[in-house]
Amino acid sequence: GAGVSQSPRYKVAKRGQDVALRCDPISGHVSLFWYQQALGQGPEFLTYFQNEAQLDKSGLPSDRFFAERPEGSVSTLKIQRTQQEDSAVYLCASSSRDRGFKAFFGQGTRLTVV
Amino acid sequence: GESVGLHLPTLSVQEGDNSIINCAYSNSASDYFIWYKQESGKGPQFIIDIRSNMDKRQGQRVTVLLNKTVKHLSLQIAATQPGDSAVYFCAENIKAAGNKLTFGGGTRVLVKP
Repeated sequence: GAGVSQSPRYKVAKRGQDVALRCDPISGHVSLFWYQQALGQGPEFLTYFQNEAQLDKSGLPSDRFFAERPEGSVSTLKIQRTQQEDSAVYLCASSSRDRGFKAFFGQGTRLTVV
Repeated sequence: GESVGLHLPTLSVQEGDNSIINCAYSNSASDYFIWYKQESGKGPQFIIDIRSNMDKRQGQRVTVLLNKTVKHLSLQIAATQPGDSAVYFCAENIKAAGNKLTFGGGTRVLVKP
């Protein structure tokens, strides 16, 4: 596609429920990033993939967060046993280079945990 | 800790005037910077980037200036239009810290007709 696509756009989860958020990066982009954005704040880094390799997961807030990119294209961010503090917009970005040069973002998935 | 921050949280600009959005960074090792525009309900949109070996870069109606001496970055928007109303973020990358971008808190630009 022309840009980074994320689904679903909105997700409401009951506390304790598991969720899976999907990211389709721009075709051919080797780098893929996940960010978390709280209301009124800048995005915070979660994790980074280069092709299928997860090279940096230093930003994942707890072991309830897990990301994968098994074939080096589509990525899934999974959150287990969701908590209210997980409510945020989850952004995916991709880049044709490493280091996030000219990283392009998707629309994000707004997760609300009730 | 090291961070990227902004001086002004909100900037009100008359349509047609030029806008200047400022950003301070604290890590002298930062060597790549990006400006993003984010409209309500949308993801950040790439505007322009600059590497630390440059001090100025121009795009369409936008100019980014980098002053490494005082660790300051600015985005200038010429002839601001209503469509420029958004939150603007600067982000930095430090090669030694890997591939992540570190974002500042954002500046909201409101364009008055």
